[in-house]
Amino acid sequence: SQKIEQNSEALNIQEGKTATLTCNYTNYSPAYLQWYRQDPGRGPVFLLLIRENEKEKRKERLKVTFDTTLKQSLFHITASQPADSATYLCALKGGSARQLTFGSGTQLTVLP
Amino acid sequence: DTAVSQTPKYLVTQMGNDKSIKCEQNLGHDTMYWYKQDSKKFLKIMFSYNNKELIINETVPNRFSPKSPDKAHLNLHINSLELGDSAVYFCASSQGRENTEAFFGQGTRLTVV
Repeated sequence: SQKIEQNSEALNIQEGKTATLTCNYTNYSPAYLQWYRQDPGRGPVFLLLIRENEKEKRKERLKVTFDTTLKQSLFHITASQPADSATYLCALKGGSARQLTFGSGTQLTVLP
Repeated sequence: DTAVSQTPKYLVTQMGNDKSIKCEQNLGHDTMYWYKQDSKKFLKIMFSYNNKELIINETVPNRFSPKSPDKAHLNLHINSLELGDSAVYFCASSQGRENTEAFFGQGTRLTVV
């Protein structure tokens, strides 16, 4: 069956360190993968999209990698800040599917 | 202007009632979605609606019925509400092409008592 797994339910790190979140998938052949941020009481907000032919994508302090051989994406936040505390979700569509499917999310807490 | 808006934000109702959640998007997108987020925060697709084509997730009970009067609106009607329907429901939209992000509403917290 198809699965999207985000390895850590919760991750605590110290301010200033790099946070690394993992997204693994099985039985998908996605053309691209997306990362979203969700704050309590709000809907998810899009952060980054990476295509299957891209190894790495950066946006300010965010970096995403995509390894289609390992079927894995890594999401990095460098120089993390308490304001980065939120739940981060990976999502993907496979092939002709029109539905964006989400992983279970990782709740990141950046400690001051 | 809010891109994707859904109403109400909170909905408390008794078991057995019928209720509707409304969603509107002003982004000109041609695909809209309904997601359910349970107490464990898992966001699960319920429906997607692309122009006039409805794609139904097989695990959604037929008490749930989406209705789309036009491309900018996708409402969710729920019949005979059950305790297990309590969750946060999110509406979202996207342009429908493969490489585009989804825009979400602020969610509707449904509590069935």
